[in-house]
Amino acid sequence: EAGVAQSPRYKIIEKRQSVAFWCNPISGHATLYWYQQILGQGPKLLIQFQNNGVVDDSQLPKDRFSAERLKGVDSTLKIQPAKLEDSAVYLCASSLMTRGTSTDTQYFGPGTRLTVL
Amino acid sequence: AQSVSQHNHHVILSEAASLELGCNYSYGGTVNLFWYVQYPGQHLQLLLKYFSGDPLVKGIKGFEAEFIKSKFSFNLRKPSVQWSDTAEYFCAVNTPNNAGNMLTFGGGTRLMVKP
Repeated sequence: EAGVAQSPRYKIIEKRQSVAFWCNPISGHATLYWYQQILGQGPKLLIQFQNNGVVDDSQLPKDRFSAERLKGVDSTLKIQPAKLEDSAVYLCASSLMTRGTSTDTQYFGPGTRLTVL
Repeated sequence: AQSVSQHNHHVILSEAASLELGCNYSYGGTVNLFWYVQYPGQHLQLLLKYFSGDPLVKGIKGFEAEFIKSKFSFNLRKPSVQWSDTAEYFCAVNTPNNAGNMLTFGGGTRLMVKP
């Protein structure tokens, strides 16, 4: 079974530039998550999708971050404009079950390492 | 809001030594608990999980964890570590909530096993 795919694996940009990350979840997984992992810290949830709808985006800095999951499969996360403090690994995860099922397991992709100069 | 604490940021052990990594969480209600591992250059992988039942959970590669509700803890153990266990280990918690299946992670423990 193919895992969660992400691209690019690495990205270096200058501050105030824009960047986009792509995620393809495991086939059939209804829920998709984007996490931000700053060096030396654990992942922090940015946004959670249930099919193509947003379930939780309370920790997404909406002035600069946006995400979408068109057609309920692939997802993109965008930062515009980027700041130095956005340097982190951006992880995508997916899980099989629908909203409200807490006994669900999330499977993670390899992440995109973003460096903002 | 719930929080997860991993007390040891860095652990160095020799091969065959026993391992115990601490994890404490702050939520007082029903919780689901996870340990994830990230080997060098690889993505986060599930090591083991606890949803209900026997509080002693066995995972892959000889790891186990014990859920102690009274102590709000879910410590990870392995009787004898190998060099290949060198990795970063993350404890995570989720709680049933209206928003879904949100995971809260601890800060991670970086384990180095000396051959």
